[in-house]
Amino acid sequence: EDQVTQSPEALRLQEGESSSLNCSYTVSGLRGLFWYRQDPGKGPEFLFTLYSAGEEKEKERLKATLTKKESFLHITAPKPEDSATYLCAVQAGGQNFVFGPGTRLSVLP
Amino acid sequence: SAVISQKPSRDICQRGTSLTIQCQVDSQVTMMFWYRQQPGQSLTLIATANQGSEATYESGFVIDKFPISRPNLTFSTLTVSNMSPEDSSIYLCSVQEGRHGYTFGSGTRLTVV
Repeated sequence: EDQVTQSPEALRLQEGESSSLNCSYTVSGLRGLFWYRQDPGKGPEFLFTLYSAGEEKEKERLKATLTKKESFLHITAPKPEDSATYLCAVQAGGQNFVFGPGTRLSVLP
Repeated sequence: SAVISQKPSRDICQRGTSLTIQCQVDSQVTMMFWYRQQPGQSLTLIATANQGSEATYESGFVIDKFPISRPNLTFSTLTVSNMSPEDSSIYLCSVQEGRHGYTFGSGTRLTVV
């Protein structure tokens, strides 16, 4: 059965304190791994898609990496506006996605 | 990417009643997807709605409880029927956008009392 786990469940950082979020997955035939950001009261917003091990994507203070078993979302020098829940999802052989439970990130000024 | 308007954004409902959630997309799409996000949990797919055919429901979800309409290529509704407190969740409408995975509406936060 396809599964996605994320750690930590919640993370509190000081502004400027870099860290990483983890997404571990077990799927048969990965078609893509997706990162989303979700603000309170809003739907998830797309950040990155990764397709193969070794691939990396960057956007401002965020960098996503992918191995055969996990993905990391690295946050460099975060700001309070980076506070959100970060969701990871995988698409396996079929059409449907499997979402992880998310990591709630709080960045304190 | 598609822009999805979803309403209501939130509602508080009495148990035993029903609520219909509307989802409007600014472009024509073949499939629309309805997700549920229970407090502290990941997104769970309820059903896939194709225009002109009955929705396809995932395991654990049934048409009598979550009837879906898809009258055209830009609009869909999800009804949560005979509600109980366990139905309190965020309900999300979405479309697939190729390399972006899904684009989501802003969600409907439902509280059943």
